[in-house]
Amino acid sequence: QKEVEQDPGPLSVPEGAIVSLNCTYSNSAFQYFMWYRQYSRKGPELLMYTYSSGNKEDGRFTAQVDKSSKYISLFIRDSQPSDSATYLCAMTDPFTGGGNKLTFGTGTQLKVEL
Amino acid sequence: EAGVTQFPSHSVIEKGQTVTLRCDPISGHDNLYWYRRVMGKEIKFLLHFVKESKQDESGMPNNRFLAERTGGTYSTLKVQPAELEDSGVYFCASSQDRAGQETQYFGPGTRLLVL
Repeated sequence: QKEVEQDPGPLSVPEGAIVSLNCTYSNSAFQYFMWYRQYSRKGPELLMYTYSSGNKEDGRFTAQVDKSSKYISLFIRDSQPSDSATYLCAMTDPFTGGGNKLTFGTGTQLKVEL
Repeated sequence: EAGVTQFPSHSVIEKGQTVTLRCDPISGHDNLYWYRRVMGKEIKFLLHFVKESKQDESGMPNNRFLAERTGGTYSTLKVQPAELEDSGVYFCASSQDRAGQETQYFGPGTRLLVL
């Protein structure tokens, strides 16, 4: 079983839609949670960083963490064609020997259509 | 400020050959990470340098992989001899510190194809 599960998609939505992307994880030692965005032929770029259960908002993006359910989400409001990319969840276990190495989900490919 | 750079962007080699990948981190970043994405799989951690020291190499697949970071600046990852299963995208990331919140900045990756 993978430590982090993420639906690979592809997910296609119309412009202006609300997008919900999700990951589940099995290792309760994960404490820091990140969402990366990756455009084609580029490296992952950090979008959101959270470390506690609850919501964190940044512009059109909201990251949600539920540690009791081992479930994290990224919501994109008013989606734009420029949001078309692969979205990767990642997490770290910094307190039980995992250091800051990132454990990734497989990524969800999102396409926002005009 | 320049981001993380990687060279080459692509490499096609035959099984049994040697390939060396290079990563130049963001200036001043002590932490340097190597990751790999094999087709259809998630990005996986390979190893972590703090300056010139290997902090964690638990993700290195086998002894055909050798990573170095001379002088705590750029890093190289050598695969010798390359096997078919080594094909994938190799990413390098760097970050400024380890305490608390740490942002890893990724390079564009090197696409390696072993034939």
